[in-house]
Amino acid sequence: GQNIDQPTEMTATEGAIVQINCTYQTSGFNGLFWYQQHAGEAPTFLSYNVLDGLEEKGRFSSFLSRSKGYSYLLLKELQMKDSASYLCAVREEDAGNMLTFGGGTRLMVKP
Amino acid sequence: NAGVTQTPKFRILKIGQSMTLQCTQDMNHNYMYWYRQDPGMGLKLIYYSVGAGITDKGEVPNGYNVSRSTTEDFPLRLELAAPSQTSVYFCASLGSDSQETQYFGPGTRLLVL
Repeated sequence: GQNIDQPTEMTATEGAIVQINCTYQTSGFNGLFWYQQHAGEAPTFLSYNVLDGLEEKGRFSSFLSRSKGYSYLLLKELQMKDSASYLCAVREEDAGNMLTFGGGTRLMVKP
Repeated sequence: NAGVTQTPKFRILKIGQSMTLQCTQDMNHNYMYWYRQDPGMGLKLIYYSVGAGITDKGEVPNGYNVSRSTTEDFPLRLELAAPSQTSVYFCASLGSDSQETQYFGPGTRLLVL
């Protein structure tokens, strides 16, 4: 089984940088995903980490440390449209490529 | 490609009624999944399938059934609806490349009264 923790809510200011943390415990780690979910919509893929280090995609970056069971999503130059929930999900080594999701972090970006 | 499609978008059920949530994908993906998401929470896996004719239980399967007679379709069946099944249901699919993300459908919002 898995245990995935992330903060419930965060608030940040437009133009700023925000870091959303995710910690996990798993028996057979096989990748970590970050998704963005706007209210009333489906999750959309942001990033994927399977090796330690930083993956950068424009304003969004994701970091992974497998030894610490830790990841973060970094959002730069925040825009109002970044107000959404951010879901951390971990995949275990199994036949189904299943994901286990954290509870999500609701980010509110204020002017 | 339409991707992953789900019907209906919204449904109200009375306690004890049954219904089938439809999910179809046109990407020839082997893996398909059903999740539920309660308000303010993450997604919980109900059932999944690794290919046509093969299904398996996820974290919260009680009260649900699935079938996978074709690669494209993965319907979710509620036999006796209960208020605890009020939720948003997402279907997702994944290709053979495990480096890919799961692709999500738009969701079905279900209210059981």
